[in-house]
Amino acid sequence: LAKTTQPISMDSYEGQEVNITCSHNNIATNDYITWYQQFPSQGPRFIIQGYKTKVTNEVASLFIPADRKSSTLSLPRVSLSDTAVYYCLPWGGSARQLTFGSGTQLTVLP
Amino acid sequence: DSGVTQTPKHLITATGQRVTLRCSPRSGDLSVYWYQQSLDQGLQFLIQYYNGEERAKGNILERFSAQQFPDLHSELNLSSLELGDSALYFCASSVGQGSTYEQYFGPGTRLTVT
Repeated sequence: LAKTTQPISMDSYEGQEVNITCSHNNIATNDYITWYQQFPSQGPRFIIQGYKTKVTNEVASLFIPADRKSSTLSLPRVSLSDTAVYYCLPWGGSARQLTFGSGTQLTVLP
Repeated sequence: DSGVTQTPKHLITATGQRVTLRCSPRSGDLSVYWYQQSLDQGLQFLIQYYNGEERAKGNILERFSAQQFPDLHSELNLSSLELGDSALYFCASSVGQGSTYEQYFGPGTRLTVT
């Protein structure tokens, strides 16, 4: 079971780059790592997914080292609207592994 | 807007009662997931259906049941409700059934048990 550990909260200022790291020491070979964003009283929203190395899309980058025991979500130039909870989810398709952790509350300050 | 719809948006009921939550997945999505989110438990996976068949079970109580119909909409039935069942219930859908498919979450149903 890929238990995850993330910082409970992080503060940043507008315009800065934010990196949120998730530890998943027991990640399985077939697990993909997915990050979701959740605003209060809304459903989570997919941000990015990767298996290894680096993945980039229009909103974020995901860095996964060779051992895959951690992953780092990078948000470039955050704005106030990026204030949300961010979850990492290592999952290989088994129900026993589909466990969202506690997430990281990111607060972006003006 | 994720394309996933859930009804009702809010539900207030009493202990011991039974309720049904409904979810319509995005057009073309075959997989439906149900989650419960409460303040003290976080986002808990309940159950997954794929094309009408139950595929995976998570931390779903025996008092809870679900099904996915031929038109792919899904219902989550909660019975003998307890105060602790008060939570946000989310439905999500994806095209496929595995971990590489992005899940699209609905707006949720807020259940309050009094």
